[in-house]
Amino acid sequence: ETGVTQSPTHLIKTRGQQVTLRCSSQSGHNTVSWYQQALGQGPQFIFQYYREEENGRGNFPPRFSGLQFPNYSSELNVNALELDDSALYLCASSSSAGGPFADTQYFGPGTRLTVL
Amino acid sequence: AQKVTQAQTEISVVEKEDVTLDCVYETRDTTYYLFWYKQPPSGELVFLIRRNSFDEQNEISGRYSWNFQKSTSSFNFTITASQVVDSAVYFCALSEDSNYQLIWGAGTKLIIKP
Repeated sequence: ETGVTQSPTHLIKTRGQQVTLRCSSQSGHNTVSWYQQALGQGPQFIFQYYREEENGRGNFPPRFSGLQFPNYSSELNVNALELDDSALYLCASSSSAGGPFADTQYFGPGTRLTVL
Repeated sequence: AQKVTQAQTEISVVEKEDVTLDCVYETRDTTYYLFWYKQPPSGELVFLIRRNSFDEQNEISGRYSWNFQKSTSSFNFTITASQVVDSAVYFCALSEDSNYQLIWGAGTKLIIKP
């Protein structure tokens, strides 16, 4: 069983630029969630996608957007980067197919974004 | 509003000691799920356990055990005979049946000294 993968591992951008982060879901999972984790803090929910549609959103501005593809891989796009966007971005996949561990979110290794 | 509190910011113990990480939650839902995740220095969040609100049975998995008490809204995590490899940040999280997102505690940094 293939776990959740994310790319790139690290990324350095300058303020005002745009960035795209990628996530490949665990095999059999149809739901993906994105989180932002600032240094020393717990993750903050950005949004979730289920079958290619946004299924919920946290308290993040519209310049944070996403996509989910038919193979359930996903992208997180951030426009007009700000210094405060520097963080670890985590992708998690889950299955809504039922069973005792349905909807448990399994996380990828994250992408460390630094905005200068 | 839902909330998760991990009052212990950092715990440091010597290897082989037992250690308990506290988690207190708030929710108005009757159906909810509680989780513990481990985040080693590599950064990846590793799923440890999920417990639903209707199952108050305590769980033991090797050196790990979890004590879920609805009466005190707590879901504490104990590591028995700690090892250096247990050093990590541990997060408690909550999701409600009416809400799709995980609500996270601030995490407890656990340091196991050899």
